[in-house]
Amino acid sequence: AQRVTQPEKLLSVFKGAPVELKCNYSYSGSPELFWYVQYSRQRLQLLLRHISRESIKGFTADLNKGETSFHLKKPFAQEEDSAMYYCALRVSGANNLFFGTGTRLTVIP
Amino acid sequence: ETGVTQSPTHLIKTRGQQVTLRCSSQSGHNTVSWYQQALGQGPQFIFQYYREEENGRGNFPPRFSGLQFPNYSSELNVNALELDDSALYLCASSLGPGAGELFFGEGSRLTVL
Repeated sequence: AQRVTQPEKLLSVFKGAPVELKCNYSYSGSPELFWYVQYSRQRLQLLLRHISRESIKGFTADLNKGETSFHLKKPFAQEEDSAMYYCALRVSGANNLFFGTGTRLTVIP
Repeated sequence: ETGVTQSPTHLIKTRGQQVTLRCSSQSGHNTVSWYQQALGQGPQFIFQYYREEENGRGNFPPRFSGLQFPNYSSELNVNALELDDSALYLCASSLGPGAGELFFGEGSRLTVL
């Protein structure tokens, strides 16, 4: 069965420090992976997807099929990065996303 | 461009009652998906509607049902409410059934007593 694991419920880093939010998945086929973010008092929104291979707000994520991971990284955290981050998986042919339980990132000034 | 809107924002029901939640999709979006988010959990897929028909369903019992209207808006109905149905119900619209980018509403928080 498909599963998305985000091992850290809470993560705190200092402003300017690197940040990595971990995401591991279980799926035997070719997945599509996404990161969604929810800032305070805002709705859940797409941050980035692996097929785009782009950097959004300084964040990048590389799909590692060997390690079945899709970790989200940013070299220098900013206070405005504080939010709830969800990793999500879509399997081939499916229309829905499987979400992880989320990681709350706090960037300390 | 109008975003996804959901109503009501909060509601309280008792066990055994029925509830209807409503969602208006973002302008231009023809697909609506519903997710349940329990406290401390990620969103869990309930079902998706496309062309006014159910187009995929998660692991939810039949007492969870829905509708999509010609203007692409949608309803989620839950019958015979149980305590475990207490959650945030999120509606998300998209440009098509397989679109990876979902546009979420702010949710309807249901409390079942």
